[in-house]
Formats: sequence, structure tokens, C-alpha cells
Amino acid sequence: GDSVTQMEGPVTLSEEAFLTINCTYTATGYPSLFWYVQYPGEGLQLLLKATKADDKGSNKGFEATYRKETTSFHLEKGSVQVSDSAVYFCALSQQGGKLIFGQGTELSVKP
Amino acid sequence: KAGVTQTPRYLIKTRGQQVTLSCSPISGHRSVSWYQQTPGQGLQFLFEYFSETQRNKGNFPGRFSGRQFSNSRSEMNVSTLELGDSALYLCASSLEGTSAETQYFGPGTRLLVL
Repeated sequence: GDSVTQMEGPVTLSEEAFLTINCTYTATGYPSLFWYVQYPGEGLQLLLKATKADDKGSNKGFEATYRKETTSFHLEKGSVQVSDSAVYFCALSQQGGKLIFGQGTELSVKP
Repeated sequence: KAGVTQTPRYLIKTRGQQVTLSCSPISGHRSVSWYQQTPGQGLQFLFEYFSETQRNKGNFPGRFSGRQFSNSRSEMNVSTLELGDSALYLCASSLEGTSAETQYFGPGTRLLVL
């Protein structure tokens, strides 16, 4: 079945460091891909998404490109801030209303 | 526009009891999905409702059920609670529930089963 694999955390970075969180997926068709973020004690918020191959999603300095050839959707940010500390989830959707999530990557940014 | 709301926010139950959780989607959204989040299993899809019909279902036992009302509000019910049902239950809504749409999540209901 469909699945998502994320790099394991926790990831600890200094402020202004470069961030990469790897995400690869397995799917039989052409899924839509998402990055969601969860701040402590809150629900999930969409960070960015891409719905077809070679699309680039971007938001708040974060970017991810839908790579069909490598079945990947890696999240990147050029300069992280303390406020980016959260848990990041990569997810795919092929069936309406159903998201399949990776295990989540906890990011901690130190000043 | 108000976001997705879930009630109650916190709940403590004992084994064998049943529980009902409620979700009010964003106005105009007709699709409501439910997820269970635990430290061990992560985020897992429970089911999705659209226009009062269950369209998709995850791999959970029949003790987990749900329904959707004509105003798109949704409830999920867990009967004969087990310790392993302790989790954060998240509800999400979207306009039509297509695979390309963003799902908007509520803050969750944290259920503790003793």
C-alpha cells in the first residue's frame, strides 16, 4: 500500500542554519504531496503542497519540489528561526479525504 | 471564517466505557476526516465522511464508528474503550474532499483511557 518515509528526528539546528528534512513516498498512482507542521499543543497546519510532478510548493521560506523520478518531496529552508521549532509531517493523498502521513520529524532550533 | 472546532478538548474515560467526540467543520466544507495520533503509531486515518456518507475507512476495528449530519458536523464514537485508545483525535475538513485539496485540522480531542 501507499506509504511515506521521513528522516528520523529529532533534528537540532542553530538559528540561521540550513534545513533539509527528507521525505520519500511509495504510491501506485500520482498522489498529491503535503508538508504539515504541528506546534506544541496544537493541531496540524498546512505548510505547503504540490499536486503534480515537478511542482514546487513554498511558504514562509520553506520549499519542497515534487520529484516523481526519485519519489521524493524533501523540505528545505535556507535560514531557520527559533519560531520554526515544531514537528513536521510529510503526507500524501490519493483518495479523497485520506492523508497518509510519515512518522514526523521534530525540529528544535537553538538561538 | 471560523476554523475547525472539536469538542471536548480533553476527556478521561475508563476501560469498557464508550465516548463520542464532535467536530464542526469550516463553514461550506462538506468533507470531514478523522485521524488518531499516538506516540507509537503516529498519525493514522480513521475515516472520511462526505454528504453524510462514509467514503473512506482506515484499518481500525468496528468499535470505531462515525457519522455526519446534514450540516456537515461530524461525530465519532468509540465503544468498549481500551487502554490503547488513549490518543489525540484530530478532525479535518475540506470543501469536497478531493486528493489535491488542503485539509484544515482542528485542535484535537485528547482522550485518556484509564
